[in-house]
Amino acid sequence: DTGVSQNPRHKITKRGQNVTFRCDPISEHNRLYWYRQTLGQGPEFLTYFQNEAQLEKSRLLSDRFSAERPKGSFSTLEIQRTEQGDSAMYLCASSLGEGALNEQFFGPGTRLTVL
Amino acid sequence: AQTVTQSQPEMSVQEAETVTLSCTYDTSESDYYLFWYKQPPSRQMILVIRQEAYKQQNATENRFSVNFQKAAKSFSLKISDSQLGDAAMYFCATSLLSGNTPLVFGKGTRLSVIA
Repeated sequence: DTGVSQNPRHKITKRGQNVTFRCDPISEHNRLYWYRQTLGQGPEFLTYFQNEAQLEKSRLLSDRFSAERPKGSFSTLEIQRTEQGDSAMYLCASSLGEGALNEQFFGPGTRLTVL
Repeated sequence: AQTVTQSQPEMSVQEAETVTLSCTYDTSESDYYLFWYKQPPSRQMILVIRQEAYKQQNATENRFSVNFQKAAKSFSLKISDSQLGDAAMYFCATSLLSGNTPLVFGKGTRLSVIA
């Protein structure tokens, strides 16, 4: 296993369009997290999953954002009606389940630019 | 709520010298984890070092060590014998001790290593 992967790596879209990002976690990891990182800031938590169950959503996750992890493996993050303020790096991370050492492994991120 | 503050936006160090990056945090929890993550330019974030708040002994990983002052809510990172490959953004982060919960990050410190 080569780690957490994310696709696409870069996405340029026009305001108002919908975009979807994919994250493939490390295969034995039960937990999957989404973060958003804007220029000059640290990552901010968006949402996370335990297998297919979405455990928590941040207040940052507006109604235009939706995340799924249908079979407890890969996850998708969709942004509807994109706005210029959505431009950011979207990071995915995964970790082993409850009770294990709390280390999150990060993917390379998807950089979104909304024109 | 947990918050993390990194007061040094940028730091520089001569190769082979030692540098200390500062971090303070606030939490109402009695048990939590503290982390330092490294984000090299255009590369994914990796864990540098981790500290469980209930452990009094400071964590050490090769050239990296921390100075954990629980009463002061301070968690600084010391890098000894700095190498060119240490140049990166460094993020301090915290999470609940219950395990595998979302991370709360600081804004980061950009470290430059001068040859």
